[in-house]
Amino acid sequence: DVKVTQSSRYLVKRTGEKVFLECVQDMDHENMFWYRQDPGLGLRLIYFSYDVKMKEKGDIPEGYSVSREKKERFSLILESASTNQTSMYLCASSLKGTRGSQPQHFGDGTRLSIL
Amino acid sequence: AQSVAQPEDQVNVAEGNPLTVKCTYSVSGNPYLFWYVQYPNRGLQFLLKYITGDNLVKGSYGFEAEFNKSQTSFHLKKPSALVSDSALYFCAVRDITTSGTYKYIFGTGTRLKVLA
Repeated sequence: DVKVTQSSRYLVKRTGEKVFLECVQDMDHENMFWYRQDPGLGLRLIYFSYDVKMKEKGDIPEGYSVSREKKERFSLILESASTNQTSMYLCASSLKGTRGSQPQHFGDGTRLSIL
Repeated sequence: AQSVAQPEDQVNVAEGNPLTVKCTYSVSGNPYLFWYVQYPNRGLQFLLKYITGDNLVKGSYGFEAEFNKSQTSFHLKKPSALVSDSALYFCAVRDITTSGTYKYIFGTGTRLKVLA
C-alpha cells in the first residue's frame, strides 16, 4: 500500500515565522502535490512537482515555496507565516501514468495554526 | 478552464436507502473525472475514476458513478447506504496546464450523513 507521510499532524506557529511542512512517499511516485483545505472552498492546489528539482505553481502559490531535492520528499515552505495561512495542508502523490489518469494518494494532513 | 461543481453541501439519507452525491463538470475535450472520500481527521481516499469506456464505473466500498456526457455530470451512487459511509466526498477533474502538465481541480465537497 502507498504511504504518504506528513511530518506533523498539528502545528502552531507565530506570525512572521518561516514554516516547513514535510511530506514523504514510499512508492517511487513521480508526481507530488501540496493542497490546502478550507471549509466551503474544498481543496486548492498550492504547488506541484513532476520530477526531482522541478516545481510548478498551482492556483494559490502566493506566500509559499516548495523544494524537491529527492524523489520521495516534497517540502512546503511558508516564507513568512500569516494568520490567513491557518489551514489544513494536504500532501499527495501519484504515478506519472497516462495523461494524468492516475489517482492521487493523500497523507493525513497537517493542521497548521498561525497565531 | 476546467471546473467541477458539487451543488449540495450536505446530503442526508437513511441507512439502507440508495444514495446519490452530485457532481457536474465543465471541461474542454474529454474529461478525466475522479471521486474521493475523506473520513474525519484523515486525508482523501480514492474511490473511482472515469477516463473512457463504460459510462457506469464501479469503485471501492460498493460505490459506483455514472458518467453522463449530455448532462456533463458524474454522480456518485450506492444502492444501499451504511452509517459508516458518512464522510466528506469530493469530485475532481483533470486539468491541463499551459506548460502541458496535469493538475486536478476539486469540488467544494459534499458531506454525506447516513442516519440509522
